[in-house]
Amino acid sequence: GAVVSQHPSRVICKSGTSVKIECRSLDFQATTMFWYRQFPKQSLMLMATSNEGSKATYEQGVEKDKFLINHASLTLSTLTVTSAHPEDSSFYICSAGPGGSRGNQPQHFGDGTRLSIL
Amino acid sequence: EDKVVQSPLSLVVHEGDTVTLNCSYEVTNFRSLLWYKQEKKAPTFLFMLTSSGIEKKSGRLSSILDKKELFSILNITATQTGDSAVYLCAVVANAGKSTFGDGTTLTVKP
Repeated sequence: GAVVSQHPSRVICKSGTSVKIECRSLDFQATTMFWYRQFPKQSLMLMATSNEGSKATYEQGVEKDKFLINHASLTLSTLTVTSAHPEDSSFYICSAGPGGSRGNQPQHFGDGTRLSIL
Repeated sequence: EDKVVQSPLSLVVHEGDTVTLNCSYEVTNFRSLLWYKQEKKAPTFLFMLTSSGIEKKSGRLSSILDKKELFSILNITATQTGDSAVYLCAVVANAGKSTFGDGTTLTVKP
């Protein structure tokens, strides 16, 4: 079945560091990938839609200069949290699906990245 | 603004019980409704529903969608401790964007 790989699974770093998270679709091409953020005991909040070959679409309230998204190939999207601060500590999850943005096939999630900023 | 509401927020049952989880939604340009199970990591896919009245089954789990009432249920029969998890309902609308509910935390006691 469709598999999405996310790396790294855990990051602990000092305030001010930039952190890059990778999301790969392993057995299908993904023109669209989604990035979510999840706080403890809360649901997934969509941050942005990553579009291959074009700019990402950010949800309201998400700073595009803070959360840089690059979708340079059909199998890879990256999320860079720039100059991370403790309030950026969270669980970040990507998803992708063979159906792309048509919504006619389920999205599959990466295993998530737990980011802790000290 | 798209909205997905799940109930109950949490549920504690004993092994062997049957549970019903609810999901109601208000979205523009509905495409599909999905159920996910989330344990310690990212959600795993359970069901995708696009048509009203057609039950989807997988073992002890089943789900059905009512597009007139904008509602879906997820049933789990003969619950086991391994069913303990957060169950998430998501609705997909335009451009494939998913809106998630807050989830139902299910605890199954031995």
